[in-house]
Amino acid sequence: EIVLTQSPGTLSLSPGERATLSCRASQSVSSSYLAWYQQKPGQSPRLLIYGASSRATGIPDRFSVSGSGTDFTLTISRLEPEDFAVYYCQQYGSSAITFGQGTRLEIK
Amino acid sequence: EVQLVESGGGLVQPGGSLRLSCTASGFTFNNYAMTWVRQAPGKGLEWVSSVSGNGGTTYDADSVKGRFTISRDNSKNMVFLQMNSLRAEDTAIYYCAQVKKWPIPLDYWGQGTLVTVSS
Repeated sequence: EIVLTQSPGTLSLSPGERATLSCRASQSVSSSYLAWYQQKPGQSPRLLIYGASSRATGIPDRFSVSGSGTDFTLTISRLEPEDFAVYYCQQYGSSAITFGQGTRLEIK
Repeated sequence: EVQLVESGGGLVQPGGSLRLSCTASGFTFNNYAMTWVRQAPGKGLEWVSSVSGNGGTTYDADSVKGRFTISRDNSKNMVFLQMNSLRAEDTAIYYCAQVKKWPIPLDYWGQGTLVTVSS
């Protein structure tokens, strides 16, 4: 199975700053099968971005993704107070779905 | 409005069985694959099982293969997860989710149901 490793484990930033979250795969992943989710405490995960760069319904354009192959990045251009949460990347390959372990984005 | 409501969680002894249900509304159910994802207390997300829209194709994580079975009843807009031979490490919140486009991403999620495996 393809292992996704997210870094950093925790990212401490202030509102208004730029956040860069990394997701590295143990094997090449198709961008079509790569997604990102946001989860806030006590809530279900929420789809953010999928495919090469498609934002889910209602997701603002300050969220973007880049990368290919084994290295992918989620960028939040200017942090809003509601963006502080845990972020997970997800992939599908070889008939299996895996998630990264998550990056906690906390207020500095 | 899409709604997914899980039920059937609870406390079960190791080696026991439990059947989770997820009732869907607000979309044409048989047009969408469905997936179960779990989250152990304080931990990350783990994919469990997925089923295609017509129920003909299923995929299971290695950690549950041979113990869990995903199925669906399109006449009732429901998806199920039959869990047998439960272990302590199966303790988690179990979410059902609608697959936006097979096999990912997962577009809508339920609120989850807690399964606790303990003696």
